[in-house]
Amino acid sequence: GENVEQHPSTLSVQEGDSAVIKCTYSDSASNYFPWYKQELGKRPQLIIDIRSNVGEKKDQRIAVTLNKTAKHFSLHITETQPEDSAVYFCAASRGEDSNYQLIWGAGTKLIIKP
Amino acid sequence: KAGVTQTPRYLIKTRGQQVTLSCSPISGHRSVSWYQQTPGQGLQFLFEYFSETQRNKGNFPGRFSGRQFSNSRSEMNVSTLELGDSALYLCASSLDEGFRVNTEAFFGQGTRLTVV
Repeated sequence: GENVEQHPSTLSVQEGDSAVIKCTYSDSASNYFPWYKQELGKRPQLIIDIRSNVGEKKDQRIAVTLNKTAKHFSLHITETQPEDSAVYFCAASRGEDSNYQLIWGAGTKLIIKP
Repeated sequence: KAGVTQTPRYLIKTRGQQVTLSCSPISGHRSVSWYQQTPGQGLQFLFEYFSETQRNKGNFPGRFSGRQFSNSRSEMNVSTLELGDSALYLCASSLDEGFRVNTEAFFGQGTRLTVV
């Protein structure tokens, strides 16, 4: 079955610097890769996602890159701000069969230092 | 449009008891998934229901069960509670129209269960 590994588990960066979180997956049939942000005491919310037919997607300060050959995808946050402090989860799934299921990474706690 | 609603928000139970948690998905969403979240363990998938049928199941013991009703509302039940079941239980709904198109999962606020 699919397995998703996420690194690092904790990331501390200076405000204004960039942050990168990486995930690797095992199932080459996976074709959907969302990223969720969970602020302290709140529910996870989708911030960006990418499908296997593209290699990169951007939304303002957030970008996701996908390397299908190496089976890894990364979240990039530029010009980090205090409100970026949260736990970030990556996930992977495939949608062609009846076993569609999001497989989640263990999460990365991002700390933005003022 | 109302979001995903989970009740109750907080629950304290004694070891050995059973508990039922409820999740009302966004109107029109037919897929409901349940997750257990504990500090340092991320999101552990419990099960997913679609059109009243359990479509996927995670690696949890049989004490964890669920069901979905015709209006897509879902319940999960945990019997013979153990101290280790203390966690935040999240449900998420998605607009899965059966075309195998991955869509965004919308989470509820969760039910925080404490077993004493």
